[in-house]
Amino acid sequence: SQQGEEDPQALSIQEGENATMNCSYKTSINNLQWYRQNSGRGLVHLILIRSNEREKHSGRLRVTLDTSKKSSSLLITASRAADTASYFCATLNSGNTPLVFGKGTRLSVIA
Amino acid sequence: NAGVMQNPRHLVRRRGQEARLRCSPMKGHSHVYWYRQLPEEGLKFMVYLQKENIIDESGMPKERFSAEFPKEGPSILRIQQVVRGDSAAYFCASSPGLSGANVLTFGAGSRLTVL
Repeated sequence: SQQGEEDPQALSIQEGENATMNCSYKTSINNLQWYRQNSGRGLVHLILIRSNEREKHSGRLRVTLDTSKKSSSLLITASRAADTASYFCATLNSGNTPLVFGKGTRLSVIA
Repeated sequence: NAGVMQNPRHLVRRRGQEARLRCSPMKGHSHVYWYRQLPEEGLKFMVYLQKENIIDESGMPKERFSAEFPKEGPSILRIQQVVRGDSAAYFCASSPGLSGANVLTFGAGSRLTVL
């Protein structure tokens, strides 16, 4: 069953604006990861945040994790047209379990 | 250092035929995962394998689907007697092992179209 649910399903912004995507999940996690998928391609890992972390940065990406609310957000600052893609959150539960992906947020950055 | 290699990239089959999708994991990775993605959908987990061992196949349909990861050679996802509903993109991913982080490296996918 799907664990992560991203919100919104689709987001359209102007180049230079910030994009925020949210992810909610249901069960306790070991870590939460964000992936990006360009149209017709495989997924690329962006960033991982562990359950004992609250915020993490990587370049123009900022991820937050609130385990009490079982939610995470991905912020892309100063967006570029090249950021246009689908973004998925994925959760790793305890034990030797596979990553469970949400349905993704489709981001369109208009130049 | 080649990443995860999947072939074929595109496969067309008629109903009732068999589809075989291959995946060579990234060098040094011993864990392979197969996911299925329908249009405008997220990835649905199918099966998780190590060499010669199926670890978790909870996402695999009970019939017509099978997967293997032999000691030598690529992992293979096999779909027998394909139906139109099998049309999807099938992604393979690999990871180094029980690292605790389980970051996956994905292949470019194999797109199956069933006529």
